[in-house]
Amino acid sequence: GENVEQHPSTLSVQEGDSAVIKCTYSDSASNYFPWYKQELGKGPQLIIDIRSNVGEKKDQRIAVTLNKTAKHFSLHITETQPEDSAVYFCAASTSGTYKYIFGTGTRLKVLA
Amino acid sequence: DAGVIQSPRHEVTEMGQEVTLRCKPISGHDYLFWYRQTMMRGLELLIYFNNNVPIDDSGMPEDRFSAKMPNASFSTLKIQPSEPRDSAVYFCASLTSGSNNEQFFGPGTRLTVL
Repeated sequence: GENVEQHPSTLSVQEGDSAVIKCTYSDSASNYFPWYKQELGKGPQLIIDIRSNVGEKKDQRIAVTLNKTAKHFSLHITETQPEDSAVYFCAASTSGTYKYIFGTGTRLKVLA
Repeated sequence: DAGVIQSPRHEVTEMGQEVTLRCKPISGHDYLFWYRQTMMRGLELLIYFNNNVPIDDSGMPEDRFSAKMPNASFSTLKIQPSEPRDSAVYFCASLTSGSNNEQFFGPGTRLTVL
């Protein structure tokens, strides 16, 4: 079955710097890759996603890149702000199953 | 829409007691997922339903766990008997097929088994 690995587990950056979180997946059939942000005491919330027919997607300060050959995808946050502090999860899924396999999460701390 | 609703938000019980967690998915969503979140194991998918029918329960840890979805607007996750190692945050999520695959999560139920 699918396995998703996520690194790093914790990440501290200075406000204004960039943050990068990386994930790898094992199942070549996976073709949908969402990223979720979880704030303290809340459920995860989708912040950006990418499908396998696209190499990169950007939404304001957030971007995701996908390398299908290497089976890895990354989340990039530029100009980080204190409110970006949270736990971020990557996931992999196959169209039609709607079943996500989540990575282990990255706790991002943005230092003011 | 109110989003996915879960109850209770917090549950404290003693080992051996029965625990029932409840979820109301977003209206019109035909998929419902139950997850368990712990520090050690992260977010684990326990079971998911499509049109009220269980599709994959391979993540259910053992027979003490059971889940039902009697109708499109309600699901329960039951643990009987509960054990301290069941302590975790349990999330319910829903989505609508034919959409962009986005799962919408509820606020979670924090379960503590003493």
